[in-house]
Amino acid sequence: DVKVTQSSRYLVKRTGEKVFLECVQDMDHENMFWYRQDPGLGLRLIYFSYDVKMKEKGDIPEGYSVSREKKERFSLILESASTNQTSMYLCASKLQGFPDTQYFGPGTRLTVL
Amino acid sequence: RKEVEQDPGPFNVPEGATVAFNCTYSNSASQSFFWYRQDCRKEPKLLMSVYSSGNEDGRFTAQLNRASQYISLLIRDSKLSDSATYLCAVPSRNTDKLIFGTGTRLQVFP
Repeated sequence: DVKVTQSSRYLVKRTGEKVFLECVQDMDHENMFWYRQDPGLGLRLIYFSYDVKMKEKGDIPEGYSVSREKKERFSLILESASTNQTSMYLCASKLQGFPDTQYFGPGTRLTVL
Repeated sequence: RKEVEQDPGPFNVPEGATVAFNCTYSNSASQSFFWYRQDCRKEPKLLMSVYSSGNEDGRFTAQLNRASQYISLLIRDSKLSDSATYLCAVPSRNTDKLIFGTGTRLQVFP
């Protein structure tokens, strides 16, 4: 069964803290994605990775960085959390070239105080 | 024009009704289209894929209109459990990623 897991379902951090969001998939997918989802704005792509150590900026990369040292794991880093980064963060993965294989993790609801 | 656009709704319909949502896209070269369902506070899950003129799965039908560049999702005999947000997705032009619409919210009432 397809599985994308995220390290936390809920997270509360303070302004200025460094935040790590972890995502792991067990499907041997090449592509992995980080989105944030906000009411009225839909899913917005932050970063994606098409293979180990490969990454590309999405539509809203400012204030974020990513790391992909192993194929199954894709980390999103908020270098210095700010209140406008309060959001639902969704990780996804898929096979290269097969868009209908994109699966999402359960999401992390991050609140920055 | 946004790459993918959806009417946000909400669509409020009684049980048993037929309801349809549209999703317009800007990339005329798109060959595949996807509908995802997202329940409240949950992740999106793939509902249907559309590769030609349409697709049907039980009460759900997706239809593609290439001339007008939109895809529709038709739900017949609506159930309370169909209440959710429905996201449309289209592959981007030059990269291997999906572009999502903002979603259409459906609320089915008794």
